[in-house]
Amino acid sequence: NAGVTQTPKFRILKIGQSMTLQCTQDMNHNYMYWYRQDPGMGLKLIYYSVGAGITDKGEVPNGYNVSRSTTEDFPLRLELAAPSQTSVYFCASSHAQRITDTQYFGPGTRLTVL
Amino acid sequence: GNSVTQMEGPVTLSEEAFLTINCTYTATGYPSLFWYVQYPGEGLQLLLKATKADDKGSNKGFEATYRKETTSFHLEKGSVQVSDSAVYFCALSAGPGANNLFFGTGTRLTVIP
Repeated sequence: NAGVTQTPKFRILKIGQSMTLQCTQDMNHNYMYWYRQDPGMGLKLIYYSVGAGITDKGEVPNGYNVSRSTTEDFPLRLELAAPSQTSVYFCASSHAQRITDTQYFGPGTRLTVL
Repeated sequence: GNSVTQMEGPVTLSEEAFLTINCTYTATGYPSLFWYVQYPGEGLQLLLKATKADDKGSNKGFEATYRKETTSFHLEKGSVQVSDSAVYFCALSAGPGANNLFFGTGTRLTVIP
């Protein structure tokens, strides 16, 4: 059971480039989340999904897009990378939306935009 | 609004020392409170949680009590081990129906033999 996997682990982008951060979970969870963690700060929610085909904005969605075509995958798209998007990105999933349900996190993707 | 403040690190302790990591919160409504832990190279894992005032969450020798009167959820362990070296995150949810977890900045703990 791999849990939540994220690729790549590290990436350096130039300003204006685009990329997709991949997230896959094998626990058949309905709910998936994307967070970012800036240096010295707590995690902030970017987008979340309550099931295939359904996504919604979190606290800091600007500059990002998501899609959820399958239960397993929840990719995060950066269209025009900016230095402000330098951060560590965490994907998470949970079985149900009760906020007290445990969220399972991936190991993170460290992104630097120069 | 909702926010979490936790003590800044890093924290370095000798093995078998007592650990306290302070966490205070500001919330509307009746939040649930969590401690997550991140071991090197891994994702965050739920360590413990408490869903109402005076509840005590516990796991792996760690404990935290939900104190509404002091808006706190301090993490404690009586005797730390080298394997407890990790980053610890305090978090809250804003209550029933909430979609978001609000995290503190994390506290890095290093335990030396």
